[in-house]
Amino acid sequence: DTGVSQNPRHKITKRGQNVTFRCDPISEHNRLYWYRQTLGQGPEFLTYFQNEAQLEKSRLLSDRFSAERPKGSFSTLEIQRTEQGDSAMYLCASSLGGGAMFFGPGTRLTVL
Amino acid sequence: KQEVTQIPAALSVPEGENLVLNCSFTDSAIYNLQWFRQDPGKGLTSLLLIQSSQREQTSGRLNASLDKSSGRSTLYIAASQPGDSATYLCAVGTQGGSEKLVFGKGTKLTVNP
Repeated sequence: DTGVSQNPRHKITKRGQNVTFRCDPISEHNRLYWYRQTLGQGPEFLTYFQNEAQLEKSRLLSDRFSAERPKGSFSTLEIQRTEQGDSAMYLCASSLGGGAMFFGPGTRLTVL
Repeated sequence: KQEVTQIPAALSVPEGENLVLNCSFTDSAIYNLQWFRQDPGKGLTSLLLIQSSQREQTSGRLNASLDKSSGRSTLYIAASQPGDSATYLCAVGTQGGSEKLVFGKGTKLTVNP
């Protein structure tokens, strides 16, 4: 399968713990996006990479959130000192230039 | 700030019906528009992409139209099937570099056998 993959698929953590998610985009795609989706809502943009450069961050991305894309390949999203309000589905997407965006299956985070 | 609205929020139809899902957006300066399908607890599946210069796109039983000047798009599903049951999301690609998507809240479609 050459689609976007995300790991883990589910993560349950206690408030205050740190968590890290990984996204592997479609191999030839130079653009990578992170979105967050809560129940009954559409996904909301968090951040965007072109190759290894993080070019845009949403105001939703507080200083507890950090994302990286070393070498322009896979990406990680880390949340420090998790809060119950961080519980959501975290979606990764990739695209080639400004073409169609393809999403991964998501990582569902539950903060207890 | 771009806002995307989808009407209706939910729709239930009998199998075999043709149906239309609506999407409206507030800023006509868009890069593209994409329709997605989402099954419960899953990621998004891309259905159709319409570039800002295009008026419509077709794939199988699906047809999407775009009217930038009025800020509207429609997704037409012909001969609906129970397997079409899902939430359908409309997303507008913004201009200005990232072409990030701004999503509506979706229309939850149920096709009854």
